Amino acid sequence: QSALTQPRSVSGSPGQSVTISCTGTSSDVGGYNYVSWYQQHPGKAPKLMIYDVSKRPSGVPDRFSGSKSGNTASLTISGLQAEDEADYYCCSYAGSYRVFGGGTKLTVL
Amino acid sequence: EVQLVESGGGLVKPGGSLRLSCAASGFTFSSYSMNWVRQAPGKGLEWVSSISSSSSYIYYADSVKGRFTISRDNAKNSLYLQMNSLRAEDTAVYYCARDVVTRFDPWGQGTLVTVSS
Repeated sequence: QSALTQPRSVSGSPGQSVTISCTGTSSDVGGYNYVSWYQQHPGKAPKLMIYDVSKRPSGVPDRFSGSKSGNTASLTISGLQAEDEADYYCCSYAGSYRVFGGGTKLTVL
Repeated sequence: EVQLVESGGGLVKPGGSLRLSCAASGFTFSSYSMNWVRQAPGKGLEWVSSISSSSSYIYYADSVKGRFTISRDNAKNSLYLQMNSLRAEDTAVYYCARDVVTRFDPWGQGTLVTVSS
């Protein structure tokens, strides 16, 4: 049950694109197409942004997209906006348990 | 509107016990698995436990196995987490989250548990 690996921080200017990686193992990220991504603003509950690697819940802007290659999943945010500044967490299904990444702080410059 | 509301958090001494509750509304509670996820102050998210819709399948993180017990009452649309032998490292905001097969959606607002003497 080791945590998935995410960069501690990423940054970008408004209008730019950023990508956040999430690396696991063949027992979690690589073994299932069940990676989800959550956005968390300070003092708030996490919010689902991407599920099943690349699906977007209704209401989530199409600026958010997900992908996976091998044991690494990625979240890409295009056309950065000020309100995208938040912490982002990946999560993978791993059979009898779930495992989160350590989180990435996105700063919009 | 789907809503989850946690309660029961507070200050407890090391070695003590606490029972968290999560009240669900706006959906058919008995049809969904549910989870507890926690977040220590200034830290990331950690999955704690999950329970299937009929309580047939229950899983725990290694860090709480043997100390925490998850349960549910479908008649009361409620999820519970009994926490025993609490340690300082259990200090966190505890969230309940609906399990939609492969993702957590939505989440409650969280309840803070502080373990300190």
